[in-house]
Amino acid sequence: EAQVTQNPRYLITVTGKKLTVTCSQNMNHEYMSWYRQDPGLGLRQIYYSMNVEVTDKGDVPEGYKVSRKEKRNFPLILESPSPNQTSLYFCASSVGQQETQYFGPGTRLLVL
Amino acid sequence: AQSVTQLDSQVPVFEEAPVELRCNYSSSVSVYLFWYVQYPNQGLQLLLKYLSGSTLVKGINGFEAEFNKSQTSFHLRKPSVHISDTAEYFCAVRATGFQKLVFGTGTRLLVSP
Repeated sequence: EAQVTQNPRYLITVTGKKLTVTCSQNMNHEYMSWYRQDPGLGLRQIYYSMNVEVTDKGDVPEGYKVSRKEKRNFPLILESPSPNQTSLYFCASSVGQQETQYFGPGTRLLVL
Repeated sequence: AQSVTQLDSQVPVFEEAPVELRCNYSSSVSVYLFWYVQYPNQGLQLLLKYLSGSTLVKGINGFEAEFNKSQTSFHLRKPSVHISDTAEYFCAVRATGFQKLVFGTGTRLLVSP
């Protein structure tokens, strides 16, 4: 089954404790992206990747890092999480200019 | 740069009534337009998309949307809603030649019996 998976689905952590949210797709998509969803703000892009070893900042990259060492994986790294990073995070992938972006199930993060 | 405006943050409606969720966009270049639905505690699912051709686009679950270039709108409609349509709906735009999706702030559709 074609899908985008994220782990963990739920995470509670404390300020400053490094964490990684994994994202994996099995559709051989070149393009992958991370979004955060906050009430009243919709989804905002954090980082995106056009292909392996090609990443770039989205609209709200501060406090986040990403890497794309393999085509299927695109982890989101929070080196020193802060409470303002409490949010719902979505990973998405797509191929080609006209193709639809497929979204993962989301990761709900709470930073205390 | 592109932007999307969903003026209605919440739309309450009775079951079997028609509904329209409004979406307006701004862009200096040609765009593709999308509607996504998010059911409670789930990810986003594509409802429909406009890439080119006919301005009336039909999607899943009986939804349709009409692209109006002169009014820069892409309103979502359904002639008769069900309780199960209760969800949050996001309009999104993507400039042609680019992958980045820009989302609106979402409209919560509340369907009551």
